Amino acid sequence: DTEVTQTPKHLVMGMTNKKSLKCEQHMGHRAMYWYKQKAKKPPELMFVYSYEKLSINESVPSRFSPECPNSSLLNLHLHALQPEDSALYLCASSQDNRGTQYFGPGTRLTVL
Amino acid sequence: DQQVKQNSPSLSVQEGRISILNCDYTNSMFDYFLWYKKYPAEGPTFLISISSIKDKNEDGRFTVFLNKSAKHLSLHIVPSQPGDSAVYFCAAGAPNFGNEKLTFGTGTRLTIIP
Repeated sequence: DTEVTQTPKHLVMGMTNKKSLKCEQHMGHRAMYWYKQKAKKPPELMFVYSYEKLSINESVPSRFSPECPNSSLLNLHLHALQPEDSALYLCASSQDNRGTQYFGPGTRLTVL
Repeated sequence: DQQVKQNSPSLSVQEGRISILNCDYTNSMFDYFLWYKKYPAEGPTFLISISSIKDKNEDGRFTVFLNKSAKHLSLHIVPSQPGDSAVYFCAAGAPNFGNEKLTFGTGTRLTIIP
């Protein structure tokens, strides 16, 4: 089983809203990732958690705030986003920080 | 600086024939390479990987070849099937150098013609 689940599938929010994206895996993976993907572009890494500690932050604006409550869950808290933040947000996990990354289906975010 | 390049944005192949997707990289520290397939509005699906100690890895219809001296890898799909129509991304990483970050190419849209 290589399933990573993400909720919600779609999200529309205004620039003053606060929302959260959720990601879950039950493969016992200890590394989890957030990526952002714009149309016709490759995924861009945002954050990496390794053993529930933030190990990489790719200079992401503070309006994106990641959280890893436990080894199976990864959240991305959103606040005061801009329309240019509209994109597909992908979560991935790997056995450890050296393993193959498996992606979830993504959350399609639209900021109005 | 694009460290992983897929120079063909699109490729069309007749059903049943071989599809060959190419990828070039510039960073000699990369030691692990992966291919992902992506349908619209879905997450990338892992297909196959290869580490730098090998020059070939095969899984069913998919074979990845690595030419380290040329810094080039390719994905062969044979025989090609209509369900293979998707965007294919190659990705590279340097996990043995303590870097879990994957660098993705820009993708190649493969269309299989029935």
